Amino acid sequence: EAGVAQSPRYKIIEKRQSVAFWCNPISGHATLYWYQQILGQGPKLLIQFQNNGVVDDSQLPKDRFSAERLKGVDSTLKIQPAKLEDSAVYLCATSDPSGGAWDTQYFGPGTRLTVL
Amino acid sequence: GIQVEQSPPDLILQEGANSTLRCNFSDSVNNLQWFHQNPWGQLINLFYIPSGTKQNGRLSATTVATERYSLLYISSSQTTDSGVYFCAVGSNDYKLSFGAGTTVTVRA
Repeated sequence: EAGVAQSPRYKIIEKRQSVAFWCNPISGHATLYWYQQILGQGPKLLIQFQNNGVVDDSQLPKDRFSAERLKGVDSTLKIQPAKLEDSAVYLCATSDPSGGAWDTQYFGPGTRLTVL
Repeated sequence: GIQVEQSPPDLILQEGANSTLRCNFSDSVNNLQWFHQNPWGQLINLFYIPSGTKQNGRLSATTVATERYSLLYISSSQTTDSGVYFCAVGSNDYKLSFGAGTTVTVRA
């Protein structure tokens, strides 16, 4: 079974530029999460999708961050414009809620963003 | 939200040693997971353990939900066990809150 795929793996941009990250979940996983992990900290949830609907985006800085999940499969996370403090690893995780209310989250390799 | 505290923040082990990592949380939970983040950044789920005890090879975990803590045991540590271990908890809103992690370094 293929894991969660993310691209690009690394991205370096200037502040005020825009950037987009892509995530392809494990086949059949209805729930998809985007996390931000700043160096030295644990991941912080930005947004959670159930199929193509948003379940929780309370910690997403909506003035600059946006995310979508078309057709309930792939997802993109966009930052526009980027700030220095957005430098972090952006992790995508997916889970299959059909097995119960709580399920194991499977993480992709992440995209390391550096904003100069 | 639920606060998660992990201890110790750093742990240096000699290969073959045993160790215990602790996770304290501030409220009742019905979801608790332990993850290992390897030196390349990949997060791997180790256990889903909102209560009770589980074992997987040299790793085992125990959660005492009534006392709001969980323990992760590493026995006969190997250099491949190096990395950061995270505890993450959730309640009724499906969100997982992560602790700051314990950085484990196993020396040959």
